[in-house]
Amino acid sequence: DVKVTQSSRYLVKRTGEKVFLECVQDMDHENMFWYRQDPGLGLRLIYFSYDVKMKEKGDIPEGYSVSREKKERFSLILESASTNQTSMYLCASTIPGGHEQFFGPGTRLTVL
Amino acid sequence: EDQVTQSPEALRLQEGESSSLNCSYTVSGLRGLFWYRQDPGKGPEFLFTLYSAGEEKEKERLKATLTKKESFLHITAPKPEDSATYLCAVGSGGGADGLTFGKGTHLIIQP
Repeated sequence: DVKVTQSSRYLVKRTGEKVFLECVQDMDHENMFWYRQDPGLGLRLIYFSYDVKMKEKGDIPEGYSVSREKKERFSLILESASTNQTSMYLCASTIPGGHEQFFGPGTRLTVL
Repeated sequence: EDQVTQSPEALRLQEGESSSLNCSYTVSGLRGLFWYRQDPGKGPEFLFTLYSAGEEKEKERLKATLTKKESFLHITAPKPEDSATYLCAVGSGGGADGLTFGKGTHLIIQP
Protein backbone atom coordinates (compact mmCIF):
# COMPACT_ATOMS: atom_id res chain seq x y z
CA ASP A 1 0.00 0.00 0.00
CA VAL A 2 1.23 3.48 -0.87
CA LYS A 3 1.92 5.66 2.12
CA VAL A 4 2.47 9.37 2.63
CA THR A 5 2.89 10.55 6.19
CA GLN A 6 2.96 14.05 7.63
CA SER A 7 4.73 14.97 10.85
CA SER A 8 1.74 16.43 12.70
CA ARG A 9 -2.05 16.23 12.38
CA TYR A 10 -2.61 19.41 14.35
CA LEU A 11 -0.25 22.30 15.04
CA VAL A 12 -0.74 25.62 16.85
CA LYS A 13 1.88 28.35 16.42
CA ARG A 14 2.19 32.04 17.19
CA THR A 15 2.59 34.86 14.69
CA GLY A 16 6.24 35.30 13.71
CA GLU A 17 7.33 31.77 14.60
CA LYS A 18 9.26 29.63 12.13
CA VAL A 19 7.24 26.52 11.27
CA PHE A 20 8.41 23.25 9.73
CA LEU A 21 5.97 20.78 8.18
CA GLU A 22 7.46 17.46 7.14
CA CYS A 23 6.26 14.89 4.67
CA VAL A 24 7.64 11.41 4.03
CA GLN A 25 6.65 8.95 1.30
CA ASP A 26 7.66 5.30 1.03
CA MET A 27 6.87 4.76 -2.65
CA ASP A 28 10.18 5.97 -4.15
CA HIS A 29 8.30 8.71 -6.00
CA GLU A 30 10.30 11.42 -7.76
CA ASN A 31 7.68 14.16 -7.54
CA MET A 32 6.39 15.67 -4.31
CA PHE A 33 3.96 18.52 -3.72
CA TRP A 34 2.67 20.83 -1.01
CA TYR A 35 -0.89 22.18 -1.19
CA ARG A 36 -3.02 24.20 1.16
CA GLN A 37 -6.77 23.74 1.39
CA ASP A 38 -9.15 26.46 2.51
CA PRO A 39 -12.97 26.54 2.57
CA GLY A 40 -14.34 28.01 -0.63
CA LEU A 41 -10.92 28.05 -2.31
CA GLY A 42 -10.16 24.38 -2.73
CA LEU A 43 -6.64 22.96 -2.96
CA ARG A 44 -3.93 25.33 -4.14
CA LEU A 45 -0.38 24.35 -5.05
CA ILE A 46 2.35 26.01 -2.99
CA TYR A 47 5.58 24.29 -4.14
CA PHE A 48 6.65 21.08 -5.81
CA SER A 49 9.84 19.14 -6.37
CA TYR A 50 11.00 16.86 -9.19
CA ASP A 51 14.04 15.48 -7.49
CA VAL A 52 16.37 15.87 -4.56
CA LYS A 53 17.46 19.49 -4.08
CA MET A 54 15.12 20.64 -6.88
CA LYS A 55 12.09 22.85 -6.24
CA GLU A 56 9.59 24.81 -8.27
CA LYS A 57 7.07 27.46 -7.24
CA GLY A 58 3.41 26.63 -7.50
CA ASP A 59 0.51 29.07 -7.62
CA ILE A 60 0.87 30.59 -4.12
CA PRO A 61 4.52 30.37 -2.97
CA GLU A 62 4.66 33.71 -1.15
CA GLY A 63 5.55 33.31 2.52
CA TYR A 64 6.73 29.71 2.09
CA SER A 65 9.92 27.86 1.24
CA VAL A 66 10.71 24.16 0.84
CA SER A 67 13.55 21.74 1.27
CA ARG A 68 14.20 18.34 -0.29
CA GLU A 69 17.46 16.82 0.92
CA LYS A 70 16.36 13.19 0.49
CA LYS A 71 14.11 11.63 -2.13
CA GLU A 72 11.53 10.45 0.38
CA ARG A 73 11.27 13.67 2.40
CA PHE A 74 9.84 17.07 1.45
CA SER A 75 9.59 19.88 4.00
CA LEU A 76 7.50 23.03 3.92
CA ILE A 77 8.84 26.00 5.85
CA LEU A 78 6.96 29.06 7.02
CA GLU A 79 9.77 31.53 7.77
CA SER A 80 7.57 33.85 9.83
CA ALA A 81 4.08 32.49 10.36
CA SER A 82 1.14 34.83 9.91
CA THR A 83 -2.55 34.41 10.73
CA ASN A 84 -3.46 34.16 7.03
CA GLN A 85 -1.41 30.97 6.87
CA THR A 86 -3.91 29.19 9.11
CA SER A 87 -5.02 26.33 6.89
CA MET A 88 -5.00 22.60 6.16
CA TYR A 89 -1.68 21.63 4.56
CA LEU A 90 -1.55 18.56 2.34
CA CYS A 91 1.49 16.77 0.97
CA ALA A 92 1.31 14.52 -2.08
CA SER A 93 3.65 12.42 -4.20
CA THR A 94 3.62 10.75 -7.61
CA ILE A 95 5.77 9.34 -10.38
CA PRO A 96 6.64 11.62 -13.35
CA GLY A 97 4.23 11.88 -16.27
CA GLY A 98 1.08 13.46 -14.87
CA HIS A 99 -0.27 10.45 -13.01
CA GLU A 100 -2.46 10.35 -9.95
CA GLN A 101 -1.05 11.90 -6.79
CA PHE A 102 -1.21 10.21 -3.42
CA PHE A 103 -1.93 12.41 -0.44
CA GLY A 104 -0.95 12.38 3.20
CA PRO A 105 -3.48 12.84 6.03
CA GLY A 106 -2.92 16.60 6.25
CA THR A 107 -1.72 19.00 8.94
CA ARG A 108 -4.24 21.45 10.37
CA LEU A 109 -2.13 24.53 11.21
CA THR A 110 -3.50 27.35 13.34
CA VAL A 111 -1.49 30.56 13.67
CA LEU A 112 -2.54 32.75 16.58
CA GLU B 1 -4.73 28.87 -17.28
CA ASP B 2 -6.34 25.55 -16.40
CA GLN B 3 -9.77 25.77 -14.77
CA VAL B 4 -11.99 23.21 -13.08
CA THR B 5 -15.58 23.86 -12.01
CA GLN B 6 -17.58 21.35 -10.02
CA SER B 7 -21.34 21.32 -9.58
CA PRO B 8 -23.36 21.21 -7.50
CA GLU B 9 -21.44 22.57 -4.51
CA ALA B 10 -23.52 20.39 -2.21
CA LEU B 11 -25.96 17.54 -2.76
CA ARG B 12 -28.20 15.75 -0.31
CA LEU B 13 -29.68 12.40 -1.39
CA GLN B 14 -31.71 9.68 0.21
CA GLU B 15 -30.08 6.28 0.52
CA GLY B 16 -30.59 4.44 -2.77
CA GLU B 17 -31.25 7.63 -4.77
CA SER B 18 -28.85 7.67 -7.72
CA SER B 19 -27.36 10.91 -9.05
CA SER B 20 -24.39 12.46 -10.86
CA LEU B 21 -21.72 15.00 -9.98
CA ASN B 22 -20.32 17.25 -12.71
CA CYS B 23 -16.78 18.45 -13.36
CA SER B 24 -16.28 20.94 -16.21
CA TYR B 25 -12.75 21.78 -17.25
CA THR B 26 -10.66 23.91 -19.59
CA VAL B 27 -7.08 22.82 -19.99
CA SER B 28 -4.16 23.21 -22.35
CA GLY B 29 -3.54 19.59 -23.28
CA LEU B 30 -5.23 17.17 -20.91
CA ARG B 31 -2.82 14.65 -19.41
CA GLY B 32 -5.39 13.18 -17.08
CA LEU B 33 -8.57 13.87 -15.14
CA PHE B 34 -8.65 12.62 -11.57
CA TRP B 35 -11.41 11.99 -9.05
CA TYR B 36 -10.75 11.93 -5.33
CA ARG B 37 -12.87 11.35 -2.26
CA GLN B 38 -12.15 13.38 0.88
CA ASP B 39 -13.57 12.67 4.31
CA PRO B 40 -13.67 15.49 6.92
CA GLY B 41 -10.25 16.25 8.38
CA LYS B 42 -8.44 13.78 6.11
CA GLY B 43 -6.38 13.89 2.95
CA PRO B 44 -7.95 13.16 -0.45
CA GLU B 45 -8.19 9.49 -1.38
CA PHE B 46 -7.59 8.62 -5.02
CA LEU B 47 -10.54 7.07 -6.90
CA PHE B 48 -10.08 7.22 -10.69
CA THR B 49 -7.92 8.51 -13.52
CA LEU B 50 -9.41 9.16 -16.97
CA TYR B 51 -7.14 9.99 -19.88
CA SER B 52 -9.27 10.38 -23.01
CA ALA B 53 -12.82 11.25 -24.07
CA GLY B 54 -15.12 8.26 -24.01
CA GLU B 55 -13.22 6.50 -21.26
CA GLU B 56 -15.16 5.10 -18.28
CA LYS B 57 -14.02 3.62 -14.96
CA GLU B 58 -16.08 1.89 -12.26
CA LYS B 59 -15.57 1.06 -8.63
CA GLU B 60 -18.40 -0.36 -6.52
CA ARG B 61 -21.25 2.20 -6.69
CA LEU B 62 -19.16 4.83 -8.50
CA LYS B 63 -18.67 5.28 -12.23
CA ALA B 64 -16.64 8.07 -13.82
CA THR B 65 -16.99 9.19 -17.43
CA LEU B 66 -15.13 11.72 -19.55
CA THR B 67 -15.92 13.94 -22.53
CA LYS B 68 -13.78 16.65 -24.10
CA LYS B 69 -15.26 19.29 -21.80
CA GLU B 70 -16.49 17.56 -18.68
CA SER B 71 -16.50 14.51 -16.48
CA PHE B 72 -19.32 12.95 -14.51
CA LEU B 73 -19.16 10.89 -11.36
CA HIS B 74 -22.28 8.73 -11.28
CA ILE B 75 -23.34 7.32 -7.94
CA THR B 76 -25.73 4.38 -8.13
CA ALA B 77 -27.88 3.40 -5.14
CA PRO B 78 -25.66 5.28 -2.67
CA LYS B 79 -25.24 4.34 0.98
CA PRO B 80 -24.58 6.65 3.95
CA GLU B 81 -20.90 5.66 3.89
CA ASP B 82 -20.61 7.33 0.46
CA SER B 83 -21.06 10.69 2.18
CA ALA B 84 -17.91 12.75 1.56
CA THR B 85 -16.56 15.61 -0.52
CA TYR B 86 -15.68 14.52 -4.05
CA LEU B 87 -12.87 16.41 -5.74
CA CYS B 88 -12.07 16.61 -9.44
CA ALA B 89 -8.62 17.61 -10.72
CA VAL B 90 -6.87 17.93 -14.07
CA GLY B 91 -3.27 17.59 -15.09
CA SER B 92 -2.15 19.40 -18.22
CA GLY B 93 0.83 19.50 -20.52
CA GLY B 94 1.74 22.93 -19.22
CA GLY B 95 1.29 22.07 -15.59
CA ALA B 96 4.57 20.24 -15.02
CA ASP B 97 2.79 17.43 -13.20
CA GLY B 98 0.95 19.71 -10.79
CA LEU B 99 -2.83 19.30 -10.60
CA THR B 100 -5.56 21.93 -10.76
CA PHE B 101 -8.43 21.09 -8.44
CA GLY B 102 -12.08 22.03 -8.41
CA LYS B 103 -13.65 23.15 -5.15
CA GLY B 104 -15.48 19.89 -4.68
CA THR B 105 -19.02 18.60 -4.24
CA HIS B 106 -20.11 17.90 -0.68
CA LEU B 107 -22.33 14.81 -0.83
CA ILE B 108 -24.61 13.75 2.00
CA ILE B 109 -26.50 10.45 1.85
CA GLN B 110 -29.31 10.25 4.35
CA PRO B 111 -30.47 6.84 5.66
